[in-house]
Amino acid sequence: EDQVTQSPEALRLQEGESSSLNCSYTVSGLRGLFWYRQDPGKGPEFLFTLYSAGEEKEKERLKATLTKKESFLHITAPKPEDSATYLCAVPNQAGTALIFGKGTTLSVSS
Amino acid sequence: DGGITQSPKYLFRKEGQNVTLSCEQNLNHDAMYWYRQDPGQGLRLIYYSQIVNDFQKGDIAEGYSVSREKKESFPLTVTSAQKNPTAFYLCASSTGTSGNTIYFGEGSWLTVV
Repeated sequence: EDQVTQSPEALRLQEGESSSLNCSYTVSGLRGLFWYRQDPGKGPEFLFTLYSAGEEKEKERLKATLTKKESFLHITAPKPEDSATYLCAVPNQAGTALIFGKGTTLSVSS
Repeated sequence: DGGITQSPKYLFRKEGQNVTLSCEQNLNHDAMYWYRQDPGQGLRLIYYSQIVNDFQKGDIAEGYSVSREKKESFPLTVTSAQKNPTAFYLCASSTGTSGNTIYFGEGSWLTVV
């Protein structure tokens, strides 16, 4: 069964304290790994898509990387406005929809 | 502005009542989706549609129904057969399936009273 596992479930950081979120997946024949940000009570907002091992993408303080079995979302010098739940997802085996992990809830305090 | 509009934002359902959640997109996307999100859970797929007049069950379709009569619209009906409907419902769309990026609406909260 296709699975996406995110860790940790929750992460508390001080402003400026860099860290990484992990997303591991078991689907074979990866056709993209997707990262989203979700604020409370809102729909997920698309951040990045990675398609091949070794690929990296950056946006402001976020950088996503991909290996053959997992992806990392690195957060450099986070600010309180980076507080949100970060979701990763991969296409299901049939390629008809995305399978989501349960997310990592990030809290950044000043 | 292009986007996905869900309505209502908040909805209350009485026991035994059917309710319909609206989803409209003006992105000219072919594929549309409904996901359900419960606290501490990931998003779970209810139904998806790759083209007008066609839709497929997702992982948790029991107690739900959909229609796709127009490209822009993909309403979800939560029937009385759905025993635990209280959740956050998210509609999404994409240019196609097979790994294309999907974009979400703002969500609808459904509560059983």
